[in-house]
Amino acid sequence: DVVMTQSPLSLPVTLGQPASISCRSSQSLVHSDGNTYLNWFQQRPGQSPRRLIYKVSNRDSGVPDRFSGSGSGTDFTLKISRVEAEDVGVYYCMQGTHWRAITFGQGTRLEIK
Amino acid sequence: EVQLVESGGGLVQPGGSLRLSCAASGFTFSSYEMNWVRQAPGKGLEWVSYISSSGSTIYYADSVKGRFTISRDNAKNSLYLQMNSLRAEDTAVYYCAREGGTYWGQGTLVTVSS
Repeated sequence: DVVMTQSPLSLPVTLGQPASISCRSSQSLVHSDGNTYLNWFQQRPGQSPRRLIYKVSNRDSGVPDRFSGSGSGTDFTLKISRVEAEDVGVYYCMQGTHWRAITFGQGTRLEIK
Repeated sequence: EVQLVESGGGLVQPGGSLRLSCAASGFTFSSYEMNWVRQAPGKGLEWVSYISSSGSTIYYADSVKGRFTISRDNAKNSLYLQMNSLRAEDTAVYYCAREGGTYWGQGTLVTVSS
């Protein structure tokens, strides 16, 4: 199975400051159809996960534009341009390219410093 | 509005069985692939199983292969997970999620304990 490795696992951030989360895969996530199925999810305390970004860099409807995704191949990044209090939670990357075994990263816990 | 509502969780003894259900509404259920994803207490997300829109293609995580069975009834807009030979390590909140993780249910807690 494809192993997804996130860093850091804990991310204390000052309100209004930027934040960045890295996600690396053990194999290329470029699908034979040319797409890269790398998604990012946010899970606020006590809530179900919510998708933020799909196919590396596409924001889902209703997701603030302070969230952005980038990367290619095996190396991906989620950036928050200015962290707000509502951004507290755990962030997960997920690969769907090798879809016989979808895999998630370990999660990155974002907290306000 | 898209809604996914899981049910069927509860307390079960090791070796026991449970059947989870996920009722879908607000979209054409028969057109979408579906997944079950679980989250052990205080832990991260773990994909459990996938089923294609028609039900003809199914995949399982190695951790549940041979014990869990995913199915769907498109006429009833419902997704199921039959869980047999349950172990303590299967204790988790189980979520159903539409393809790509676009929508998730609120989850149902399964506790395996004697």
